[in-house]
Amino acid sequence: GENVEQHPSTLSVQEGDSAVIKCTYSDSASNYFPWYKQELGKRPQLIIDIRSNVGEKKDQRIAVTLNKTAKHFSLHITETQPEDSAVYFCAASYFGNEKLTFGTGTRLTIIP
Amino acid sequence: DTGVSQDPRHKITKRGQNVTFRCDPISEHNRLYWYRQTLGQGPEFLTYFQNEAQLEKSRLLSDRFSAERPKGSFSTLEIQRTEQGDSAMYLCASSSPRGGNEQFFGPGTRLTVL
Repeated sequence: GENVEQHPSTLSVQEGDSAVIKCTYSDSASNYFPWYKQELGKRPQLIIDIRSNVGEKKDQRIAVTLNKTAKHFSLHITETQPEDSAVYFCAASYFGNEKLTFGTGTRLTIIP
Repeated sequence: DTGVSQDPRHKITKRGQNVTFRCDPISEHNRLYWYRQTLGQGPEFLTYFQNEAQLEKSRLLSDRFSAERPKGSFSTLEIQRTEQGDSAMYLCASSSPRGGNEQFFGPGTRLTVL
């Protein structure tokens, strides 16, 4: 089955700087890669996703890149703000088997 | 609130007791998923339904666990003879093919087994 690895496990950045979180996946059939943000005690919330037919997607300060050959994808947050502090999870699935396999999470702390 | 809802939000039980959780998906979503999340980990897939059909079950789902979605709307997850290792957050999510299969999560049910 699919295996998703996520790095780093913790990340601290100065407010206004950029943050990058990286994930790798094992199953070449995977073609859907969402990112979720989870604040303490709250539900995971989808913040951005990418499908395998594109290499990059951007939504305001958040972008995701995908390298299918290397089987890795990354989340980029620019101009970080204190409210970006949370745990971020990457995940992977493929059409026809929509169960998500999650990474182990990255705890992002924005230092004011 | 038109999002995914779960009930109860918290459940404390003694080892050996049975518990049942409920999930109400977003109304037009025909797919419903159950995940389990332990502290410091990402959600782990347990099972999923398309309408009333249970299409896949994880090996994590022992025979003490059973899930149903009898009318293709809400779902229940029952754990029989609970063990301390069952303590976790149980998350429900739903999706629709028309929505690109994005999964939207409920607030979860936190189970504590004493």
